[in-house]
Amino acid sequence: NAGVMQNPRHLVRRRGQEARLRCSPMKGHSHVYWYRQLPEEGLKFMVYLQKENIIDESGMPKERFSAEFPKEGPSILRIQQVVRGDSAAYFCASSGAYEQYFGPGTRLTVT
Amino acid sequence: GQQVMQIPQYQHVQEGEDFTTYCNSSTTLSNIQWYKQRPGGHPVFLIQLVKSGEVKKQKRLTFQFGEAKKNSSLHITATQTTDVGTYFCAGFGNQFYFGTGTSLTVIP
Repeated sequence: NAGVMQNPRHLVRRRGQEARLRCSPMKGHSHVYWYRQLPEEGLKFMVYLQKENIIDESGMPKERFSAEFPKEGPSILRIQQVVRGDSAAYFCASSGAYEQYFGPGTRLTVT
Repeated sequence: GQQVMQIPQYQHVQEGEDFTTYCNSSTTLSNIQWYKQRPGGHPVFLIQLVKSGEVKKQKRLTFQFGEAKKNSSLHITATQTTDVGTYFCAGFGNQFYFGTGTSLTVIP
């Protein structure tokens, strides 16, 4: 039973480019959460999605960031026109009953 | 907005010493979860507490949920080098609020 998968594991983008981060939840899970973690800091909630629905996006920056979880395929976190401050680890998690299972994360570096 | 704070931010202990991290929420939580993140790794679920005053044990780890459901603690007895990592609490209000984490270093 594969765990939560994220790709790519490492992503380097130049300022102004777009970053697409993918997350495949555990089999049977229909809830996906995205978090951002800056070095030496905690996890900051960004968005909570179910299939084809955004349930809570209160943690998402209003501009440049968007997320989706289509009926088929992985959840996508999209960052347009990246800036240096977007450099961070982005984790997604999926949940079944209550606990969250985290993926290995995508380390985004903006140069 | 809701905040979940943890203290201390960092803790260095000698192997064999005990360790405690405290989690405090600005609002009442319906439940609280604890996660461990090893350096360079991802958070891994440890436990969930739901009831007021609940205490749960996992080997050398003891978890408590406060009577008012606004605070929680994790206590590790006789730390080992394998306990190294950052421990996060996560409180659930209308979403998961992760605490700031306590980074534990165990000196052999």
